[in-house]
Amino acid sequence: DTAVSQTPKYLVTQMGNDKSIKCEQNLGHDTMYWYKQDSKKFLKIMFSYNNKELIINETVPNRFSPKSPDKAHLNLHINSLELGDSAVYFCASSQEKLAGGRLPDTQYFGPGTRLTVL
Amino acid sequence: TQLLEQSPQFLSIQEGENLTVYCNSSSVFSSLQWYRQEPGEGPVLLVTVVTGGEVKKLKRLTFQFGDARKDSSLHITAAQPGDTGLYLCAGRFSGGYNKLIFGAGTRLAVHP
Repeated sequence: DTAVSQTPKYLVTQMGNDKSIKCEQNLGHDTMYWYKQDSKKFLKIMFSYNNKELIINETVPNRFSPKSPDKAHLNLHINSLELGDSAVYFCASSQEKLAGGRLPDTQYFGPGTRLTVL
Repeated sequence: TQLLEQSPQFLSIQEGENLTVYCNSSSVFSSLQWYRQEPGEGPVLLVTVVTGGEVKKLKRLTFQFGDARKDSSLHITAAQPGDTGLYLCAGRFSGGYNKLIFGAGTRLAVHP
């Protein structure tokens, strides 16, 4: 059974278009994340939601807008795509222990969405 | 400037050899994790270390957290082709949410 799933797996589009990536987790976790992995394999967090509430919002262009309709889903919408947006986008989830906990919960990653902007 | 520096970036070895991958920072982390990522897949957690000086073993993999909690190492004994992949360290600062800071990764290739 798939724990964290993303659609689509591959996305090829033209500059200036708007596109969405969907993520779903069936682990019952409260927290979900979006990461971007560039061509050098550097993985950087973009957003995190806990129970549909935005809790981490890194320095990301406002062309990127996450949406969490419920705690099992976290979608990423990107407006006016640029060449530099080409990357692999990973969704992840965890059962977060909030402030004060030293031991981080395991983050479970989806298979990634490879976005290519032409 | 990356908070976590991994070395080496690339490592190509023969089956049976030993290797060590390093993860260094000038920052103190409350915990550090090691992930392994295979092509076309997301990272998978291998281990979490929390206490300075802590050593954890996972079969042929040995993980160590530095005494000052600023660095970590991953040692693989008698590497096998199945160990091939991208190894990522990720640190977390105390307090706040589960925000992980990832290193740039070490790409390991083990040849038969």
